[in-house]
Amino acid sequence: DAKTTQPTSMDCAEGRAANLPCNHSTISGNEYVYWYRQIHSQGPQYIIHGLKNNETNEMASLIITEDRKSSTLILPHATLRDTAVYYCIVRVEWGSQGNLIFGKGTKLSVKP
Amino acid sequence: DTEVTQTPKHLVMGMTNKKSLKCEQHMGHRAMYWYKQKAKKPPELMFVYSYEKLSINESVPSRFSPECPNSSLLNLHLHALQPEDSALYLCASSPRAKGSYEQYFGPGTRLTVT
Repeated sequence: DAKTTQPTSMDCAEGRAANLPCNHSTISGNEYVYWYRQIHSQGPQYIIHGLKNNETNEMASLIITEDRKSSTLILPHATLRDTAVYYCIVRVEWGSQGNLIFGKGTKLSVKP
Repeated sequence: DTEVTQTPKHLVMGMTNKKSLKCEQHMGHRAMYWYKQKAKKPPELMFVYSYEKLSINESVPSRFSPECPNSSLLNLHLHALQPEDSALYLCASSPRAKGSYEQYFGPGTRLTVT
């Protein structure tokens, strides 16, 4: 499975868009990009996933570059409750059993 | 019901004790998982159950014993643990048994072994 690289930490002002980058330059054609987040002392929370088209749901948007070597998770109007560690995970959709492999993630701090 | 519940929230046990962690979901999900998370580290997979059968054991020591009595319930039996087993134990479920990485996590049980 492709490895991912994320910045260790980022800050964002409350009410502004938070753009979290993820590099996955060795991604293969059948691998999806998944995003999870973990708020302090809680279980991880699924956010969104995609293959090559941009995706949007009620929580966030996922923008994947045309060459699929990087992606950006966008939280359009960040709130203090969005402060969390965000994990970008690359996995084959119909591969082995659904075992997530979490990297170190990006610690996003949303500030008033 | 759209959540995964875990009990207890906190557990303190001695090295000679036997205890169990419980996880429940009523979303009709067919796969359930146990993860272990040490402080300031990402979660690490321990076990996967698909259709109530153990399908993955990530070389977990036998002092951890999982059990899936039915499709909604997952237990983790603990015996003769070590202090280094102190961690947050997370349960998750997913709609599909195979190839699904859309997992829904419970809040976890924070375990302290004394």
